[in-house]
Amino acid sequence: KAGVTQTPRYLIKTRGQQVTLSCSPISGHRSVSWYQQTPGQGLQFLFEYFSETQRNKGNFPGRFSGRQFSNSRSEMNVSTLELGDSALYLCASSLVLRDYYGYTFGSGTRLTVV
Amino acid sequence: DQQVKQNSPSLSVQEGRISILNCDYTNSMFDYFLWYKKYPAEGPTFLISISSIKDKNEDGRFTVFLNKSAKHLSLHIVPSQPGDSAVYFCAGRGSGAQKLVFGQGTRLTINP
Repeated sequence: KAGVTQTPRYLIKTRGQQVTLSCSPISGHRSVSWYQQTPGQGLQFLFEYFSETQRNKGNFPGRFSGRQFSNSRSEMNVSTLELGDSALYLCASSLVLRDYYGYTFGSGTRLTVV
Repeated sequence: DQQVKQNSPSLSVQEGRISILNCDYTNSMFDYFLWYKKYPAEGPTFLISISSIKDKNEDGRFTVFLNKSAKHLSLHIVPSQPGDSAVYFCAGRGSGAQKLVFGQGTRLTINP
């Protein structure tokens, strides 16, 4: 079966710009979560969506937002990019909400802000 | 507030020996702990977990130990193999199935 697909794989943006990242979950999975990975902080939780509704949110500023569509695909948007937003952004899908044993991660989108 | 800490950024072990990866936590409300393994250019994959009511869980070459009084868990890999070279993340799950809280990760290198 196809895995979790994240696009694009790599992005280079300038400070102040905005960016949209996309995540297509495994077919049939209805929950999508987003994480930010940085060398010093590990994986930090951004948000979790289920049935087009945000169910949980991490401690990130309002510049970080997301949404989920009726086909369970999810997008994450970061506005007014800062240098510190440079990171690997991972999404994970699961069959049901908070099904951590069925968590499947995508390969991530590496965002570089210059 | 780093609720889950992996204080060793890297670890190097000889092939065939035991690898021990450590993780400390501060949140006593975690009810499950999980370990994920991550290869470069891939997403993390689930490896093994342990419930907070147990002190040991074993799956093949992988064993996780939990010491609740010390708020410490460790992952043992015996024997270590070259394919085990990866970054390992431990994570805690709050009771009530809240979000996973990950540590910073430990890069394990298995030397031939």
